[in-house]
Amino acid sequence: GQSLEQPSEVTAVEGAIVQINCTYQTSGFYGLSWYQQHDGGAPTFLSYNALDGLEETGRFSSFLSRSDSYGYLLLQELQMKDSASYFCAASNAGNMLTFGGGTRLMVKP
Amino acid sequence: EPEVTQTPSHQVTQMGQEVILRCVPISNHLYFYWYRQILGQKVEFLVSFYNNEISEKSEIFDDQFSVERPDGSNFTLKIRSTKLEDSAMYFCASSQLQGTETQYFGPGTRLLVL
Repeated sequence: GQSLEQPSEVTAVEGAIVQINCTYQTSGFYGLSWYQQHDGGAPTFLSYNALDGLEETGRFSSFLSRSDSYGYLLLQELQMKDSASYFCAASNAGNMLTFGGGTRLMVKP
Repeated sequence: EPEVTQTPSHQVTQMGQEVILRCVPISNHLYFYWYRQILGQKVEFLVSFYNNEISEKSEIFDDQFSVERPDGSNFTLKIRSTKLEDSAMYFCASSQLQGTETQYFGPGTRLLVL
């Protein structure tokens, strides 16, 4: 089985940088994805790491350390529209995604 | 940009009734999935489907659930005899390849069982 832990809530101000951590305990781990979900909306893919290191996609970056079973999502130059829930999700070779509990990010002016 | 679509957006049903949730995955995708999200909780995997058969399923996906690809475009989730605890948002997703990082999610069907 797989379990993922992430903080339940994070608050930051506009323009700031925020890091959302995710630790996982899994069998058959293949990679770690990050999804954004606005209230009432569908999960939207943000980033993915299969190998150790940093992946950068615009204002969003994601990091993975397989030896530490740890990853994080880094959001830079925060905007009000970034207020949403962020989920880390571990995938196995068969593409089954196991989601963490989600981190609710509140961006304040 | 191609997207996954789902119908209906909302469904209200009586306990014990059968419901069918419909999805149209992105046209060149080969892998299809159903997830559910109970209000305020995390997204949970139900089942994955490839080449007209189930490739993986979770403990949630018991005998009351079934999936089907009845034609070249639709992918359906049937719940045979709904229970109150089946009330949730159901998301369909698709991906192009196995082992690819990106699953594209549809907008979801909100199911309410009374």
